[in-house]
Amino acid sequence: EAGVAQSPRYKIIEKRQSVAFWCNPISGHATLYWYQQILGQGPKLLIQFQNNGVVDDSQLPKDRFSAERLKGVDSTLKIQPAKLEDSAVYLCASSPSDEQFFGPGTRLTVL
Amino acid sequence: GQQLNQSPQSMFIQEGEDVSMNCTSSSIFNTWLWYKQDPGEGPVLLIALYKAGELTSNGRLTAQFGITRKDSFLNISASIPSDVGIYFCAGQLVGTYKYIFGTGTRLKVLA
Repeated sequence: EAGVAQSPRYKIIEKRQSVAFWCNPISGHATLYWYQQILGQGPKLLIQFQNNGVVDDSQLPKDRFSAERLKGVDSTLKIQPAKLEDSAVYLCASSPSDEQFFGPGTRLTVL
Repeated sequence: GQQLNQSPQSMFIQEGEDVSMNCTSSSIFNTWLWYKQDPGEGPVLLIALYKAGELTSNGRLTAQFGITRKDSFLNISASIPSDVGIYFCAGQLVGTYKYIFGTGTRLKVLA
């Protein structure tokens, strides 16, 4: 069974630029999560989708972050404009019910 | 906000030794997940726990869901060099599909 796919794996941008990340969850998984993991910390939930609807985006900085999950499958997370403190690994996870399965993440460096 | 206290923060042990780590919180959880994360990779699910008091093993790993539903522990027996990595607990908040992650336990195994 294919795992969660994410791209790109690495991205370096300058502050105030825009960036987008893509996630393809495990086939059949209704729930999709985006997490931010700052170096030395555990993942922090940004947004949770159930099919193509948002379940929880309470910790998403909506002034600069946006996410969508069209057709309830793939998802994109966008940051516009990026700040230095956005440097982190962005992890996508999908779940059929209770267990979450993570992708390899996208490491973002903002200069 | 909800927090998960994970300890110890880091451990240096000799190959062959047993390891124990735990997560505690003031919140009650439905499900506990334990993950291992290697550098540059996403977290990999090790064990899932679904009810209070449950004790589950996966090879040399054993995890328990605390009877109060506020804590969980993970034991690794007879550690080997490939056990090196960061271990995270994640608790699913009651009534939600939302997970809160611990701060991680960094394990180093000395051969």
